[in-house]
This record gives sequence, structure tokens and C-alpha cells, in this order.
Amino acid sequence: DQQVKQNSPSLSVQEGRISILNCDYTNSMFDYFLWYKKYPAEGPTFLISISSIKDKNEDGRFTVFLNKSAKHLSLHIVPSQPGDSAVYFCFLGGSNYKLTFGKGTLLTVNP
Amino acid sequence: DAGVIQSPRHEVTEMGQEVTLRCKPISGHNSLFWYRQTMMRGLELLIYFNNNVPIDDSGMPEDRFSAKMPNASFSTLKIQPSEPRDSAVYFCASSLQGLAKNIQYFGAGTRLSVL
Repeated sequence: DQQVKQNSPSLSVQEGRISILNCDYTNSMFDYFLWYKKYPAEGPTFLISISSIKDKNEDGRFTVFLNKSAKHLSLHIVPSQPGDSAVYFCFLGGSNYKLTFGKGTLLTVNP
Repeated sequence: DAGVIQSPRHEVTEMGQEVTLRCKPISGHNSLFWYRQTMMRGLELLIYFNNNVPIDDSGMPEDRFSAKMPNASFSTLKIQPSEPRDSAVYFCASSLQGLAKNIQYFGAGTRLSVL
């Protein structure tokens, strides 16, 4: 039973446009949400996070939105750049250490 | 800081052989995680240490897998005997604390191929 789903295995976007990556979850006990980015042959790196008391967090071109009632998390990248091409994972955590994460979405930004 | 250091970067071995993967966490971090990534299963958390003590090893696939953290600056993941289905990329990550809200810093991974 997968508690976290990234339903789009891949996404292709034109440079300069918006990229929207989605993450759906089933367990309402999650209260901390993180996005990681992974380039080939490298480990994942932290990108942006949000706690359950907020519904939006912004950092430059990256914005994370949280809809707790819909149990939906999204990452918006505006404007998208070719260097953003990577696999994006959502990591979800509860009050303890336990983390659950999606299988990732491969974003390709075309010049 | 050099970040989380994993060795070797690549390992090719034959079925039945023992494999040892190594990890040096970021200095000052007291939590360490071992992950495995495969095409089929995606990213999986294998085991988590806090202050060198294994807290949760429920993700370890079977008894052939074992992990140790003899001190705060070193951890190993051992597979004995190795099997072809163990072929994957193994990541080590560390964080200041094991809480979900704390950022984990990942190593570059070890790509293991078991023939």
C-alpha cells in the first residue's frame, strides 16, 4: 500500500514555462513535507520544504503548495530552466523520524 | 565540509561474494540513513541510525543484509552472500537529527552490480 504517490513518472516542459510536479498522500499524520532533486550519478539534494501549518512556501523560482484537505503537495518551478532537468522526489514525515517518499518524477526542460 | 562520502562509487562482484559499502557522514551529524534505489522499487529506506544506534531496520530486505555504525564518523552496509537482485544504487545520508523535518544530505551513492 503506497502512502505517497507521484503519479507522473515524467514531465516535459519548455524552457521559460511553468513546471508543476505533484505528490498525493493518504496518511493525514504527515506534518512535514520536503522536495529533493536528483541528477544522474548524484545523490538527492534538498530543494524546499513546508510544514503542515503553512499552505505555501516560496524560494526564488521554487514554490511548494500544500493542500491538507486534499492531501496534495505540489512543486512549481517558474520559469523552468534546462538545468532544472532532474528527478524530483517528495519526502513526507510525521512527528517521528519516519519518512515516506514517492518514486520520483523525471522533469525534462527543453531549450 | 566534504559532504557525505561513500565508497566505492562502483562495485562489481559475483554472486555469492561478500560486499561491503562504506559511508562517512557529515561531521556533527548524529543521524545516518542507508537507502537503496532500483528501477522497480524506486527509493527504499533500509536502516536508520541515531547516535550510532540502529533505530529502525525494518527496511532491510533479509538477513543477508547487515549494517553497523561503530562510531559517529563511519558506517558500513554489508551483503553476504550477494545475489544478482541486490544490484542497485545504495545511498547513505546523514542529518543533524533524525526528525522528519531535518534535511538529509546524501552521498553520491555506490552502484552495485552483482553478476
